[in-house]
Amino acid sequence: DAGVIQSPRHEVTEMGQEVTLRCKPISGHNSLFWYRQTMMRGLELLIYFNNNVPIDDSGMPEDRFSAKMPNASFSTLKIQPSEPRDSAVYFCASSFGGGVREQYFGPGTRLTVT
Amino acid sequence: DQQVKQNSPSLSVQEGRISILNCDYTNSMFDYFLWYKKYPAEGPTFLISISSIKDKNEDGRFTVFLNKSAKHLSLHIVPSQPGDSAVYFCAALTGNQFYFGTGTSLTVIP
Repeated sequence: DAGVIQSPRHEVTEMGQEVTLRCKPISGHNSLFWYRQTMMRGLELLIYFNNNVPIDDSGMPEDRFSAKMPNASFSTLKIQPSEPRDSAVYFCASSFGGGVREQYFGPGTRLTVT
Repeated sequence: DQQVKQNSPSLSVQEGRISILNCDYTNSMFDYFLWYKKYPAEGPTFLISISSIKDKNEDGRFTVFLNKSAKHLSLHIVPSQPGDSAVYFCAALTGNQFYFGTGTSLTVIP
């Protein structure tokens, strides 16, 4: 299995632009998680889906952030408009059965907003 | 507000010696704890976990200790190997709430 796939691996954009991060979970996994990693706060859970349905988005920092999962094999995290403080590494993870204990993480997308 | 804290951002240990990584938490409702290991340019990978009903869990060279009264978690790696050099995150879980620490960068010196 290819594991969790994220694209792009690196993204540099200017403040105010829209940014879309993409994730393909492991085939057969029915739960998907989006995380943000910063030096100050470590890894923060932003949102997670179970069977394509958002279960908990309490970690989403602001309305500028939105996430979708149109089908079992694809999810997006969108930031519009982006701000310099959004610069971080964004990870996607997937698991089977909704459990956070058996998550498999993707390699992450490093976002830089200038 | 950080509910899971790793107060040591970095740690260096000689190969063959013991590495001890520490983690403190504030929420007594956490019922499951995990350690993840992360290499550069890769996502975190699960290493070892412990339920709140236990105080120790061992897996090969890795042992996790839980002190609930002190709200403290530690990971022991014995003996440490150069390949253990990575960032280690502790994480705590209650219900669907999942919190990570900020990570400790371990360097094992050959």
